[in-house]
Amino acid sequence: GQNIDQPTEMTATEGAIVQINCTYQTSGFNGLFWYQQHAGEAPTFLSYNVLDGLEEKGRFSSFLSRSKGYSYLLLKELQMKDSASYLCAVASGGYQKVTFGTGTKLQVIP
Amino acid sequence: KAGVTQTPRYLIKTRGQQVTLSCSPISGHRSVSWYQQTPGQGLQFLFEYFSETQRNKGNFPGRFSGRQFSNSRSEMNVSTLELGDSALYLCASSPATGFSARNEQFFGPGTRLTVL
Repeated sequence: GQNIDQPTEMTATEGAIVQINCTYQTSGFNGLFWYQQHAGEAPTFLSYNVLDGLEEKGRFSSFLSRSKGYSYLLLKELQMKDSASYLCAVASGGYQKVTFGTGTKLQVIP
Repeated sequence: KAGVTQTPRYLIKTRGQQVTLSCSPISGHRSVSWYQQTPGQGLQFLFEYFSETQRNKGNFPGRFSGRQFSNSRSEMNVSTLELGDSALYLCASSPATGFSARNEQFFGPGTRLTVL
Protein backbone atom coordinates (compact mmCIF):
# COMPACT_ATOMS: atom_id res chain seq x y z
CA GLY A 1 0.00 0.00 0.00
CA GLN A 2 0.91 3.62 0.05
CA ASN A 3 1.13 6.10 2.88
CA ILE A 4 1.57 9.84 2.51
CA ASP A 5 1.89 12.17 5.50
CA GLN A 6 1.68 15.94 5.61
CA PRO A 7 0.96 18.37 8.44
CA THR A 8 -2.71 19.25 8.59
CA GLU A 9 -2.38 22.99 9.06
CA MET A 10 0.30 25.68 9.06
CA THR A 11 0.28 29.41 9.63
CA ALA A 12 2.89 31.83 8.31
CA THR A 13 3.33 35.58 8.00
CA GLU A 14 3.11 37.56 4.79
CA GLY A 15 6.59 38.06 3.31
CA ALA A 16 8.07 35.11 5.19
CA ILE A 17 9.24 31.68 4.02
CA VAL A 18 7.38 28.47 4.80
CA GLN A 19 8.34 24.84 4.26
CA ILE A 20 5.66 22.17 3.91
CA ASN A 21 6.93 18.65 4.43
CA CYS A 22 5.68 15.41 2.94
CA THR A 23 6.81 11.89 3.76
CA TYR A 24 5.74 8.86 1.81
CA GLN A 25 6.02 5.11 1.68
CA THR A 26 5.37 3.47 -1.64
CA SER A 27 6.53 0.77 -4.00
CA GLY A 28 7.34 1.48 -7.62
CA PHE A 29 7.94 5.19 -7.09
CA ASN A 30 7.86 7.25 -10.29
CA GLY A 31 7.63 10.83 -9.14
CA LEU A 32 6.13 13.29 -6.69
CA PHE A 33 3.74 16.14 -7.42
CA TRP A 34 2.73 19.20 -5.48
CA TYR A 35 -0.64 20.81 -6.15
CA GLN A 36 -2.26 23.94 -4.80
CA GLN A 37 -5.96 24.04 -4.04
CA HIS A 38 -7.80 27.21 -3.07
CA ALA A 39 -11.02 26.76 -1.12
CA GLY A 40 -13.87 25.81 -3.43
CA GLU A 41 -11.60 25.34 -6.43
CA ALA A 42 -9.94 22.44 -8.20
CA PRO A 43 -6.27 21.57 -7.52
CA THR A 44 -3.71 23.14 -9.83
CA PHE A 45 -0.25 21.78 -10.62
CA LEU A 46 2.77 23.36 -8.93
CA SER A 47 5.73 21.03 -9.38
CA TYR A 48 6.95 17.54 -10.19
CA ASN A 49 10.12 15.86 -8.89
CA VAL A 50 11.43 12.60 -10.24
CA LEU A 51 15.11 12.90 -9.28
CA ASP A 52 16.68 13.85 -5.96
CA GLY A 53 17.33 17.51 -5.42
CA LEU A 54 15.76 20.93 -5.53
CA GLU A 55 13.59 22.25 -8.35
CA GLU A 56 13.04 25.98 -8.30
CA LYS A 57 10.23 27.79 -10.03
CA GLY A 58 9.85 31.43 -9.07
CA ARG A 59 8.77 31.79 -5.45
CA PHE A 60 8.09 28.07 -5.19
CA SER A 61 10.70 25.31 -4.86
CA SER A 62 10.27 21.59 -4.33
CA PHE A 63 12.79 19.12 -2.95
CA LEU A 64 12.91 15.35 -3.16
CA SER A 65 14.93 12.66 -1.41
CA ARG A 66 13.91 9.27 -2.74
CA SER A 67 16.07 7.33 -0.29
CA LYS A 68 14.36 9.03 2.65
CA GLY A 69 10.86 9.08 1.14
CA TYR A 70 10.75 12.79 1.79
CA SER A 71 9.80 15.93 -0.04
CA TYR A 72 9.15 19.53 0.85
CA LEU A 73 7.58 22.52 -0.83
CA LEU A 74 9.21 25.84 -0.07
CA LEU A 75 7.24 29.04 -0.54
CA LYS A 76 9.17 32.30 -0.40
CA GLU A 77 7.98 35.89 -0.05
CA LEU A 78 4.57 34.69 1.06
CA GLN A 79 1.56 36.56 -0.21
CA MET A 80 -2.00 36.52 1.11
CA LYS A 81 -3.11 34.74 -2.06
CA ASP A 82 -0.89 31.78 -1.08
CA SER A 83 -3.45 30.85 1.56
CA ALA A 84 -4.62 27.49 0.25
CA SER A 85 -4.24 23.76 0.73
CA TYR A 86 -1.08 22.18 -0.62
CA LEU A 87 -1.36 18.58 -1.72
CA CYS A 88 1.53 16.17 -2.01
CA ALA A 89 0.90 13.33 -4.47
CA VAL A 90 2.97 10.30 -5.40
CA ALA A 91 2.94 8.59 -8.80
CA SER A 92 3.79 4.90 -8.69
CA GLY A 93 3.49 1.73 -10.66
CA GLY A 94 3.71 1.03 -14.33
CA TYR A 95 0.66 3.09 -15.12
CA GLN A 96 1.57 5.90 -12.76
CA LYS A 97 -1.25 5.67 -10.31
CA VAL A 98 -1.34 8.97 -8.43
CA THR A 99 -2.09 8.92 -4.70
CA PHE A 100 -2.71 12.17 -2.85
CA GLY A 101 -1.95 13.10 0.72
CA THR A 102 -4.70 14.76 2.76
CA GLY A 103 -3.15 18.16 2.18
CA THR A 104 -1.72 20.96 4.31
CA LYS A 105 -3.92 23.99 4.84
CA LEU A 106 -1.71 27.06 4.86
CA GLN A 107 -2.96 30.31 6.31
CA VAL A 108 -0.96 33.43 5.53
CA ILE A 109 -1.52 36.24 8.02
CA PRO A 110 -0.59 39.93 7.72
CA LYS B 1 -7.24 24.96 -25.37
CA ALA B 2 -10.38 24.27 -23.34
CA GLY B 3 -9.92 22.83 -19.89
CA VAL B 4 -11.48 19.79 -18.28
CA THR B 5 -15.23 20.11 -18.00
CA GLN B 6 -17.55 18.25 -15.67
CA THR B 7 -21.31 18.05 -15.63
CA PRO B 8 -23.40 18.60 -13.69
CA ARG B 9 -21.70 20.98 -11.27
CA TYR B 10 -24.17 20.34 -8.47
CA LEU B 11 -26.45 17.41 -7.78
CA ILE B 12 -28.85 16.49 -4.99
CA LYS B 13 -30.02 12.89 -4.68
CA THR B 14 -31.65 10.73 -2.03
CA ARG B 15 -30.40 7.52 -0.50
CA GLY B 16 -30.83 4.49 -2.73
CA GLN B 17 -30.82 6.42 -5.97
CA GLN B 18 -28.08 6.21 -8.55
CA VAL B 19 -26.14 8.99 -10.24
CA THR B 20 -24.01 9.43 -13.36
CA LEU B 21 -21.35 12.12 -13.60
CA SER B 22 -19.65 13.17 -16.81
CA CYS B 23 -16.16 14.41 -17.59
CA SER B 24 -14.70 15.76 -20.84
CA PRO B 25 -10.90 15.84 -20.79
CA ILE B 26 -8.59 18.32 -22.44
CA SER B 27 -8.36 17.64 -26.15
CA GLY B 28 -5.61 15.10 -26.83
CA HIS B 29 -5.50 13.76 -23.29
CA ARG B 30 -6.14 10.03 -23.18
CA SER B 31 -6.05 9.42 -19.45
CA VAL B 32 -8.94 10.32 -17.18
CA SER B 33 -8.87 9.83 -13.42
CA TRP B 34 -11.66 10.24 -10.89
CA TYR B 35 -11.30 11.32 -7.27
CA GLN B 36 -13.63 11.75 -4.33
CA GLN B 37 -12.83 14.67 -2.06
CA THR B 38 -14.26 15.06 1.44
CA PRO B 39 -13.06 17.35 4.26
CA GLY B 40 -11.90 14.49 6.43
CA GLN B 41 -10.36 12.15 3.86
CA GLY B 42 -8.88 14.49 1.30
CA LEU B 43 -8.57 13.35 -2.31
CA GLN B 44 -9.32 9.65 -2.60
CA PHE B 45 -8.48 7.93 -5.89
CA LEU B 46 -11.41 6.11 -7.49
CA PHE B 47 -10.12 4.86 -10.84
CA GLU B 48 -8.24 5.81 -13.98
CA TYR B 49 -9.12 5.10 -17.59
CA PHE B 50 -6.85 5.12 -20.60
CA SER B 51 -8.03 4.35 -24.12
CA GLU B 52 -11.34 3.00 -22.81
CA THR B 53 -9.61 0.60 -20.37
CA GLN B 54 -9.51 0.87 -16.60
CA ARG B 55 -5.80 0.86 -15.70
CA ASN B 56 -5.86 1.70 -12.02
CA LYS B 57 -8.46 1.29 -9.33
CA GLY B 58 -8.75 2.61 -5.80
CA ASN B 59 -10.32 1.01 -2.76
CA PHE B 60 -13.96 1.83 -3.30
CA PRO B 61 -16.90 -0.58 -3.28
CA GLY B 62 -18.36 -1.96 -6.48
CA ARG B 63 -21.18 0.62 -6.31
CA PHE B 64 -18.68 2.98 -7.88
CA SER B 65 -18.01 2.28 -11.53
CA GLY B 66 -16.89 4.15 -14.58
CA ARG B 67 -16.22 3.96 -18.25
CA GLN B 68 -14.44 5.84 -20.97
CA PHE B 69 -15.61 6.38 -24.53
CA SER B 70 -13.59 6.38 -27.73
CA ASN B 71 -13.43 10.19 -27.66
CA SER B 72 -11.83 9.97 -24.16
CA ARG B 73 -14.90 11.38 -22.44
CA SER B 74 -15.59 9.52 -19.22
CA GLU B 75 -18.55 8.83 -16.99
CA MET B 76 -18.69 7.75 -13.40
CA ASN B 77 -21.68 5.99 -11.89
CA VAL B 78 -22.61 5.48 -8.27
CA SER B 79 -25.47 3.11 -7.54
CA THR B 80 -27.50 2.74 -4.34
CA LEU B 81 -26.36 6.07 -2.96
CA GLU B 82 -25.49 6.37 0.72
CA LEU B 83 -25.26 9.48 2.89
CA GLY B 84 -21.48 9.04 3.04
CA ASP B 85 -21.23 9.44 -0.72
CA SER B 86 -21.81 13.17 -0.34
CA ALA B 87 -18.60 14.71 -1.62
CA LEU B 88 -16.92 16.68 -4.35
CA TYR B 89 -16.11 14.38 -7.27
CA LEU B 90 -13.17 15.57 -9.30
CA CYS B 91 -12.10 14.42 -12.70
CA ALA B 92 -8.55 14.93 -13.96
CA SER B 93 -7.07 14.38 -17.39
CA SER B 94 -3.46 13.73 -18.30
CA PRO B 95 -1.55 13.32 -21.54
CA ALA B 96 -0.13 10.02 -20.18
CA THR B 97 2.51 10.12 -22.87
CA GLY B 98 4.95 7.67 -21.37
CA PHE B 99 6.29 5.79 -18.38
CA SER B 100 8.78 8.43 -17.28
CA ALA B 101 6.92 11.46 -18.52
CA ARG B 102 5.65 14.11 -16.20
CA ASN B 103 2.03 13.14 -16.41
CA GLU B 104 0.64 16.03 -14.46
CA GLN B 105 -3.06 16.02 -14.01
CA PHE B 106 -5.38 18.82 -14.99
CA PHE B 107 -8.46 18.95 -12.83
CA GLY B 108 -11.99 19.88 -13.71
CA PRO B 109 -14.12 22.06 -11.41
CA GLY B 110 -15.81 19.02 -9.88
CA THR B 111 -19.36 17.88 -9.25
CA ARG B 112 -20.72 18.57 -5.78
CA LEU B 113 -22.97 15.63 -4.87
CA THR B 114 -25.27 15.85 -1.88
CA VAL B 115 -27.11 12.73 -0.75
CA LEU B 116 -30.12 13.31 1.49
